[in-house]
Amino acid sequence: GAVVSQHPSRVICKSGTSVKIECRSLDFQATTMFWYRQFPKQSLMLMATSNEGSKATYEQGVEKDKFLINHASLTLSTLTVTSAHPEDSSFYICSARDRRSGVNYGYTFGSGTRLTVV
Amino acid sequence: LAKTTQPISMDSYEGQEVNITCSHNNIATNDYITWYQQFPSQGPRFIIQGYKTKVTNEVASLFIPADRKSSTLSLPRVSLSDTAVYYCLVGGRMDSSYKLIFGSGTRLLVRP
Repeated sequence: GAVVSQHPSRVICKSGTSVKIECRSLDFQATTMFWYRQFPKQSLMLMATSNEGSKATYEQGVEKDKFLINHASLTLSTLTVTSAHPEDSSFYICSARDRRSGVNYGYTFGSGTRLTVV
Repeated sequence: LAKTTQPISMDSYEGQEVNITCSHNNIATNDYITWYQQFPSQGPRFIIQGYKTKVTNEVASLFIPADRKSSTLSLPRVSLSDTAVYYCLVGGRMDSSYKLIFGSGTRLLVRP
């Protein structure tokens, strides 16, 4: 089945620095990837839709200058948390869709990245 | 997107059958019903998907009544490893930009 690889699995950074998270579709091409954020004991919140070769679409309330998304190839999307602050500490999850799949709409999720800003 | 309502939490014991019901009164004709499972610090994992009546796979069954305004995920003989959060989502097989929006989910605790 489709596999989505997300790295790093956990990262600790200092306040004010930037952190990049990678999401790769390993065995399929994904024209669209999605980025979610999840706080403890809460559900996944969609942050943005990453489109290959074009600008990302951000959900209401998500700062596009804060969370930079780049989808330069059909297998890689990156999320960069710029000037991170402790309140950005969260679990970030990406998802990609394999359009070849007829089940589950083809959506597969990465294993997530635990970001801790100190 | 149809809004879903599920119980916040459920408790069960090992070996029991667990049924989690999801309400989706505004489901559209083109919408499918999909359930995901999420363990702590992991991404969601697909469990099962259906449109109507009953669907069964190696891990679960999905029961959907004729009006499709609700659905029930059935987990046979749960084990401790089934302790997780279960999400019910409804939506159509649209184009590649279709977004999966998660509701609150049901936190299932399986006790020994």
